[in-house]
Amino acid sequence: GAVVSQHPSWVICKSGTSVKIECRSLDFQATTMFWYRQFPKQSLMLMATSNEGSKATYEQGVEKDKFLINHASLTLSTLTVTSAHPEDSSFYICSGKTSGSTDTQYFGPGTRLTVL
Amino acid sequence: DQQVKQNSPSLSVQEGRISILNCDYTNSMFDYFLWYKKYPAEGPTFLISISSIKDKNEDGRFTVFLNKSAKHLSLHIVPSQPGDSAVYFCAASARRQGGSEKLVFGKGTKLTVNP
Repeated sequence: GAVVSQHPSWVICKSGTSVKIECRSLDFQATTMFWYRQFPKQSLMLMATSNEGSKATYEQGVEKDKFLINHASLTLSTLTVTSAHPEDSSFYICSGKTSGSTDTQYFGPGTRLTVL
Repeated sequence: DQQVKQNSPSLSVQEGRISILNCDYTNSMFDYFLWYKKYPAEGPTFLISISSIKDKNEDGRFTVFLNKSAKHLSLHIVPSQPGDSAVYFCAASARRQGGSEKLVFGKGTKLTVNP
């Protein structure tokens, strides 16, 4: 149980274009979904938290107009990187959790974004 | 400011022996701790967690110990198997104003279990 999928698993795009990444919880309802970014040899850094049906909460230093997050249903959240630049190249990982007392998050497999 | 620290970037053990991965934290507001295992180009897989009201939690070959006074936790894997070779991330959680929580991750320790 607690499986999260992401699509695509990798994407290469040109500078200035937009890329959408999907995150789905396959066997549970994720009332909260999280988006992380991981640079090489670094830890996962939280970018934003989204609750179904409401606006995402962004971490300090993350541009909300650049990283658009939509959490339209209890099983789907999307991250759109707008006007991508080479410095946005990274490994993007989503996670989901159900409402409840524990803070265990279940992670997707990640999406490798390369901006040329 | 690294609130969760994994000071050993790598660890190598022999198959069958015990692997001990360490993690230190600085924020006394953390009340829930987790260990994740990660393979290259994959997302982290949840392994085991512990609440701050406990000092030990065991699940099969994996045991997590929490020493709140020292702000230290460790993951013990015994016996270690070659399939355990991966990067292990320690994470800590605290409630923030407004009720949301945030997981703060360490940089990870790469475990290699040699046959």
